[in-house]
Amino acid sequence: GAVVSQHPSRVICKSGTSVKIECRSLDFQATTMFWYRQFPKQSLMLMATSNEGSKATYEQGVEKDKFLINHASLTLSTLTVTSAHPEDSSFYICSAQAQGAGTGELFFGEGSRLTVL
Amino acid sequence: LAKTTQPISMDSYEGQEVNITCSHNNIATNDYITWYQQFPSQGPRFIIQGYKTKVTNEVASLFIPADRKSSTLSLPRVSLSDTAVYYCLVGGFSGNTPLVFGKGTRLSVIA
Repeated sequence: GAVVSQHPSRVICKSGTSVKIECRSLDFQATTMFWYRQFPKQSLMLMATSNEGSKATYEQGVEKDKFLINHASLTLSTLTVTSAHPEDSSFYICSAQAQGAGTGELFFGEGSRLTVL
Repeated sequence: LAKTTQPISMDSYEGQEVNITCSHNNIATNDYITWYQQFPSQGPRFIIQGYKTKVTNEVASLFIPADRKSSTLSLPRVSLSDTAVYYCLVGGFSGNTPLVFGKGTRLSVIA
């Protein structure tokens, strides 16, 4: 089945630094990918929709200058947490659906756990 | 996007059948119903998807009544490894429509 891979799976950084998380669709092309954030014991919260070749669409309350999204190819979307602070510590998950798949499952990455010290 | 309501938590003994019901009163005509399973520190994993009536695969069954305002995920003979959070999602899955997650149901399977 289709696979979505994220890297890194875990990252620890100092406050004020920037961290990049990659999301790749391994065996299919995805014009659209989605980024979610999940805090402990809570559900997934949609952050933004990543569109290949165009600007991402951010959900209300999500700072676009804080969470930079780049979707440069049909198989790769990146999320950069800029000037990270401890409150940005969370589990970040991406998802994608195969292009032209119509009604079908949305594939999720393994998630990336960010810890900001 | 249709909002979903599920029980917050459920407990079950090993070997029992577990039924988790999800309410989605404002489901749209072109919306499908999909259930995902999530283990701690992992991304959600697809379980089953349906539009109406009953769907069955190797791991679960999905029952959808005629009015489609609810659905029930049925897990036969659960084991300890089925302890997870189960999410019911409703959407058209056009490829560029995000899925909005509800709170999910935390299933605890007890030996």
